[in-house]
Amino acid sequence: AQSVTQLDSHVSVSEGTPVLLRCNYSSSYSPSLFWYVQHPNKGLQLLLKYTSAATLVKGINGFEAEFKKSETSFHLTKPSAHMSDAAEYFCVVSENPMNTGFQKLVFGTGTRLLVSP
Amino acid sequence: ETGVTQTPRHLVMGMTNKKSLKCEQHLGHNAMYWYKQSAKKPLELMFVYSLEERVENNSVPSRFSPECPNSSHLFLHLHTLQPEDSALYLCASSLIARGDYNEQFFGPGTRLTVL
Repeated sequence: AQSVTQLDSHVSVSEGTPVLLRCNYSSSYSPSLFWYVQHPNKGLQLLLKYTSAATLVKGINGFEAEFKKSETSFHLTKPSAHMSDAAEYFCVVSENPMNTGFQKLVFGTGTRLLVSP
Repeated sequence: ETGVTQTPRHLVMGMTNKKSLKCEQHLGHNAMYWYKQSAKKPLELMFVYSLEERVENNSVPSRFSPECPNSSHLFLHLHTLQPEDSALYLCASSLIARGDYNEQFFGPGTRLTVL
């Protein structure tokens, strides 16, 4: 079974400093990996996805993530945090049940990003 | 706005009540999902409907009963719930296609409190 581990429940940064949110995955085959963001009182929004193409994936709002198979990691980074980045971030791995056509998503426990002025 | 709406946004109910959550998508998708988001736990997939047929039922108690009358609407009927069922219930939709990832679009959720 696939799983993801988000190593930090909370990360605090100052505005303008780099962001690093860590994620490790467990998968028996080449996985599809994603980062979703959830702002207060909003639904989840896809930030970026890795589906076996380029290992460095660029997403929305300046975020990017690098797939490292040797480390089984998919960490999310941003060079400079903005106040509007404060939210909950979820690392997600996809299970693709055979012959169903839908993606079964397995979520991490989330990392809350706090951005101070 | 993601194109997926959920009503009500907040619901408080007693353990003997019967209520329903509604989800509607305006994206032309043909798969819909119910997730449960509890505090300090990962999102849990509850049900999946693909082309209006239920294709996944993740060992959810029978006090939760889903209904998908057409590809745009999804309901979650609730009866005799327990306080531990209090959570944020999220609806999502996507296109069905093999061989590629099809993004799931999420609604804002219904915050359910069971007294």
